[in-house]
Amino acid sequence: KAGVTQTPRYLIKTRGQQVTLSCSPISGHRSVSWYQQTPGQGLQFLFEYFSETQRNKGNFPGRFSGRQFSNSRSEMNVSTLELGDSALYLCASSYGPVGSEAFFGQGTRLTVV
Amino acid sequence: DQQVKQNSPSLSVQEGRISILNCDYTNSMFDYFLWYKKYPAEGPTFLISISSIKDKNEDGRFTVFLNKSAKHLSLHIVPSQPGDSAVYFCAASARSGNTPLVFGKGTRLSVIA
Repeated sequence: KAGVTQTPRYLIKTRGQQVTLSCSPISGHRSVSWYQQTPGQGLQFLFEYFSETQRNKGNFPGRFSGRQFSNSRSEMNVSTLELGDSALYLCASSYGPVGSEAFFGQGTRLTVV
Repeated sequence: DQQVKQNSPSLSVQEGRISILNCDYTNSMFDYFLWYKKYPAEGPTFLISISSIKDKNEDGRFTVFLNKSAKHLSLHIVPSQPGDSAVYFCAASARSGNTPLVFGKGTRLSVIA
C-alpha cells in the first residue's frame, strides 16, 4: 500500500509570492491534516480536511488555506509569503476518527528568500 | 499555551541501556496519546499509542506508561539501539471532542555505541 505522497519535496520561493503544496493520502484514508514544523517549535497544526470539508483549523493567519478534492487529495496554499514561512510542511492522513493515528508524508521543505 | 510539553530537548543514552522519554500535558480532555519518531528529512513515523483507559501499552522494545493523575506519560525503549537515534514527538488528542493531534516540541535521542 502506497504511503502519503507530498509534492514537491523542496521549494524555494521569494517573499511576496504564493505557493501550493500537494498531498496524496493513503488509499482509503479520508482525513488529511497539515502541519508546519520549524526548528524548536515542534509540529504546529494548520488544518484538517475530511470529505472535502475543513473540520478543524489551527491558529494560523488567513494567508494559509487548503482544500480537499473528491479523491481525498489535498492542497495547501500560502499567499504573500514571508521569510518566517520557511519550514517543513507535513501532510498526514488517517482512517479513523479525529485524533487517531496519523500517517505522515516526507514533507515539503519550503524556503522563502 | 503549550498543551503538550516535552521538557527535555535532548537525551543521550548508551547502547543497550534504557531510554526514557517524558511528556506532560495540561488538557484533561485528552484521551488518546501517541509517540512518533522522526529521522532527518523524513516525516514522523507512528510508534505506539495508549488510550486513557489504560496505564501501560507495550510493543516489542517500546513501552508507553500513562499517569493520568499526574498528566504525564513516558516512552521506555529497552534495550536502546543506535538506530533509535531520532527525534521523538509526543502527541495527544481529545477524540471524544473531535480535536486533532497536538504535538510536543520533541526530544532528540542519541544512542551511543
